[in-house]
Amino acid sequence: GESVGLHLPTLSVQEGDNSIINCAYSNSASDYFIWYKQESGKGPQFIIDIRSNMDKRQGQRVTVLLNKTVKHLSLQIAATQPGDSAVYFCAENAGGTSYGKLTFGQGTILTVHP
Amino acid sequence: GAVVSQHPSRVICKSGTSVKIECRSLDFQATTMFWYRQFPKQSLMLMATSNEGSKATYEQGVEKDKFLINHASLTLSTLTVTSAHPEDSSFYICSATRGATITGELFFGEGSRLTVL
Repeated sequence: GESVGLHLPTLSVQEGDNSIINCAYSNSASDYFIWYKQESGKGPQFIIDIRSNMDKRQGQRVTVLLNKTVKHLSLQIAATQPGDSAVYFCAENAGGTSYGKLTFGQGTILTVHP
Repeated sequence: GAVVSQHPSRVICKSGTSVKIECRSLDFQATTMFWYRQFPKQSLMLMATSNEGSKATYEQGVEKDKFLINHASLTLSTLTVTSAHPEDSSFYICSATRGATITGELFFGEGSRLTVL
């Protein structure tokens, strides 16, 4: 079946640096994408989302970029802090009859060193 | 506060027994809930879609007779792992949708850690 994948399984950065986490997706029918943060032993925590009619969306310290041409999604975290250390997942939704169903990428472990 | 609650958060059981996990939407009605499974150091995999008042829809490869899903009310879905075995040990996570569109209206529970001895 189609899936969402990530290029880098781990990412280590220094506190204060900017982090970029990448994601490739394969389902061209997907029209909604979400980035989640998951801390150990907890459920996914919503970070930011973007619809396919947009190519960029900004939140507090985070920016999501969507390139539909190459089916690529990225999450940029500005001024990364130790509290940002977690596993980050991208997820996609194809909408329609699959409304609410998410396909998750493999995840990237972000480690922020003080 | 949490809008989707799971119970129990952790459960340990003996092989061969059945375990029930609850997923509740706390302040909204959820006609649809979703169950995911996550093995250590892996991603979340959708198991099934739970529809209030009707049978659940299972993803390919998920045994419906082993993972019984009941969505008897608009605020509660339950997942029962029947005749659990050590390979069923996993982190089970539910999600629920609120509203007519998905944007910003999809909430995850905190997960339930199942350990089968």
